[in-house]
Amino acid sequence: GIQVEQSPPDLILQEGANSTLRCNFSDSVNNLQWFHQNPWGQLINLFYIPSGTKQNGRLSATTVATERYSLLYISSSQTTDSGVYFCAVGSNAGNMLTFGGGTRLMVKP
Amino acid sequence: SAVISQKPSRDICQRGTSLTIQCQVDSQVTMMFWYRQQPGQSLTLIATANQGSEATYESGFVIDKFPISRPNLTFSTLTVSNMSPEDSSIYLCSVEFLGSEAFFGQGTRLTVV
Repeated sequence: GIQVEQSPPDLILQEGANSTLRCNFSDSVNNLQWFHQNPWGQLINLFYIPSGTKQNGRLSATTVATERYSLLYISSSQTTDSGVYFCAVGSNAGNMLTFGGGTRLMVKP
Repeated sequence: SAVISQKPSRDICQRGTSLTIQCQVDSQVTMMFWYRQQPGQSLTLIATANQGSEATYESGFVIDKFPISRPNLTFSTLTVSNMSPEDSSIYLCSVEFLGSEAFFGQGTRLTVV
């Protein structure tokens, strides 16, 4: 099946700093999503981005499908950005998502 | 988008017992899935819940341990049977509209003692 790798696995930032999270995948995809998992375990949809670039406030994402990677940018980080960020992809083999290992982000005040 | 109600949100259960988790969606959806997230780990797909037929299980998951029902296009249940402490996880249901974005319920945090 498709492989999804996220980097870095852990990230500590000072409040106000910017960061880039990366997601590499091993095969063609028809779905790519970024999620933020809050401390209560809920997955919050950030972006549905199988290709191209999107922005939502301080967050933006870019997927280069031909090169099989996606990037999530967080600017001017806040303590509320802390949590785990997951990249998940769906391939043509089925509609289910395959998740990367996640990036655990801690933003310090 | 979809509003997904998952119940219970958390539970503490005795080993050897079973727990049924419910997932209700506010609109008809084509695809429903169940995922497991073990402590400190990523999400792993348990099965695809098929409306009107048996669920499709991923490698490592079996129907006897995780029976799934999907009586209609808005509702599904996952049962965790004969629980052991190793079943302590967050269980999440997910829905997807064909060719579009997936959405998740708030999850069920299960602790088996």
